[in-house]
Amino acid sequence: NAGVTQTPKFRVLKTGQSMTLLCAQDMNHEYMYWYRQDPGMGLRLIHYSVGEGTTAKGEVPDGYNVSRLKKQNFLLGLESAAPSQTSVYFCASMLGREPYEQYFGPGTRLTVT
Amino acid sequence: SQQGEEDPQALSIQEGENATMNCSYKTSINNLQWYRQNSGRGLVHLILIRSNEREKHSGRLRVTLDTSKKSSSLLITASRAADTASYFCATAWLTGGGNKLTFGTGTQLKVEL
Repeated sequence: NAGVTQTPKFRVLKTGQSMTLLCAQDMNHEYMYWYRQDPGMGLRLIHYSVGEGTTAKGEVPDGYNVSRLKKQNFLLGLESAAPSQTSVYFCASMLGREPYEQYFGPGTRLTVT
Repeated sequence: SQQGEEDPQALSIQEGENATMNCSYKTSINNLQWYRQNSGRGLVHLILIRSNEREKHSGRLRVTLDTSKKSSSLLITASRAADTASYFCATAWLTGGGNKLTFGTGTQLKVEL
């Protein structure tokens, strides 16, 4: 199993540009999450999904949109990138609702200039 | 807002020594988890301890949880250079979003030869 994969690994955007980050998991997990990690801040939850076709807001959702059209994929979109969205983005998945651990992807480093 | 606060922020020890990291949190939890992050990589789950458990072991790892003090500690025994990483505690409660995690800011551990 590949586990959780993320594409792209790196990206540089100009202010106002848009992009989509793709997360894929091959473990048949129900739950998927998008986090951002900034220096000294730990990880903060952006959006999450409890199953195919569902999405919900996390702690810092402004400026981002998500979609989960297929169970194995969770997309994070930035419609109009801002420098404040410069960060490392991590996707995670989890088997189900019970207290399970989350499996993380390798991250996407995004710079907005 | 960040739920967990790790202490110390940075720790440097010699190979073979024990490393202890502490985590304090503010509200009731269902479980608490510890994750490791190597530089430039995604997070890897280490151990999960439920709110009704006081201590848990996994290999060289020992985690304690004191819900009355709202604190947890992670002990790594006989540390190795490969243990060099950042360690995060994550508090969790069960919601419609499953086992939602709130991460602390992490402890950077350096194990020197």
